Amino acid sequence: SYVLTQPPSVSVAPGKTARITCGENNIGTKTVHWYQQKPGQAPVLVIYYDTDRPSGIPERFSGSNSGDTATLTISRVEAGDEADYYCQVWDSSSNHGVFGTGTKVTVL
Amino acid sequence: QVQLQESGPGLVKTSETLSLTCTVSGGSINGYYWSWIRQPPGKGLEWIGSIYFTGSSNYNPSLKSRVIVSVDMSQNQISLSLTSVTAADTAVYYCARDGPHYYDPFDPWGQGTLVTVSS
Repeated sequence: SYVLTQPPSVSVAPGKTARITCGENNIGTKTVHWYQQKPGQAPVLVIYYDTDRPSGIPERFSGSNSGDTATLTISRVEAGDEADYYCQVWDSSSNHGVFGTGTKVTVL
Repeated sequence: QVQLQESGPGLVKTSETLSLTCTVSGGSINGYYWSWIRQPPGKGLEWIGSIYFTGSSNYNPSLKSRVIVSVDMSQNQISLSLTSVTAADTAVYYCARDGPHYYDPFDPWGQGTLVTVSS
């Protein structure tokens, strides 16, 4: 069964780059989706199929996935990017969805 | 634009059954997978289960013995039933649309509904 490990927190200064990792053996063979959740709100999809960005999501958000690590990168971080971020995959071996442990991004 | 709205009791007694409904507006259930996801207060997201519009379902192995997800095409609704609840089932419950494939992302999500389990 998949356990997707994320760092509990990432702190970044405005205008800098935040990188959030999602780790699991051979996650590069899976398709990874990323969600942003602000306090009191439902999660919002920000990256799907490893690298694709839904309409309305800024180009500052990008994703990659290789080997044992998937990464969500937020460039030119803004105060409004402060939120919890979750990765997600489908575990085809047991046919169920799996979320990462979540990362709180703090903008300094 | 598809919108999802969860509804159901906000308080359920210990050992009883939690029942929620997700009403889909602005689109059809036809052709998609639909999921229930929950989030205990202050904690992360947990996938509960999903159902295809045909009625085929998958469940989280940790909850499988207590969960049933069903679909009502005539009402454009998806339902969740969770039996024998305990305080550990207290959470915000979300419904979300997957896509035409089970591995598609969850988008969009409903606003969520808080269910508290208490004796």
